[in-house]
Amino acid sequence: DAKTTQPNSMESNEEEPVHLPCNHSTISGTDYIHWYRQLPSQGPEYVIHGLTSNVNNRMASLAIAEDRKSSTLILHRATLRDAAVYYCILRALNDYKLSFGAGTTVTVRA
Amino acid sequence: SAVISQKPSRDICQRGTSLTIQCQVDSQVTMMFWYRQQPGQSLTLIATANQGSEATYESGFVIDKFPISRPNLTFSTLTVSNMSPEDSSIYLCSGRASGGSVQETQYFGPGTRLLVL
Repeated sequence: DAKTTQPNSMESNEEEPVHLPCNHSTISGTDYIHWYRQLPSQGPEYVIHGLTSNVNNRMASLAIAEDRKSSTLILHRATLRDAAVYYCILRALNDYKLSFGAGTTVTVRA
Repeated sequence: SAVISQKPSRDICQRGTSLTIQCQVDSQVTMMFWYRQQPGQSLTLIATANQGSEATYESGFVIDKFPISRPNLTFSTLTVSNMSPEDSSIYLCSGRASGGSVQETQYFGPGTRLLVL
């Protein structure tokens, strides 16, 4: 399985943007980049996913490098409710499974 | 989307006993999964619950220890058998919605917090 590398933790101030990096230098051409987050005492929830082009949804934006060896999840205006562990996951084209790494723990200061 | 509930939400059990965790989805899902999250750790996939047939287990997990049933498209159970303190973890159920691509979103239950004494 292709592996991802994320910083252990990041801190942000409320109302400011948060940029969460993810390195995936061994990504294959058909691997999708998924982001999930796990709020305290809850199960993970889907955030966003993409293949090659940048993606936006109501929760976040995903910026994918041109060579696809890295990506960045962008939370445009962090709120206290965004404090969570964020997981960057690669999924092969026909792979139903999610393989979770250690993720990045995001702390948001009021 | 799908909403997933689990019962019980938490339990404290004695070693050597077994606990069955129930997972209910509010809509039909094509695939269901069971994960374990040990204290302070990330999630590890235990198995894929297959409707009407034996579950598919990941390396390191066996049916005798974690028997799984899935009698229909919206319900599954995971049993943690002959428990030891090392089984103290959060157990999470997940489902992938019907239709769509393989990259379809997975939905997770809130987890069952198990403490084995």
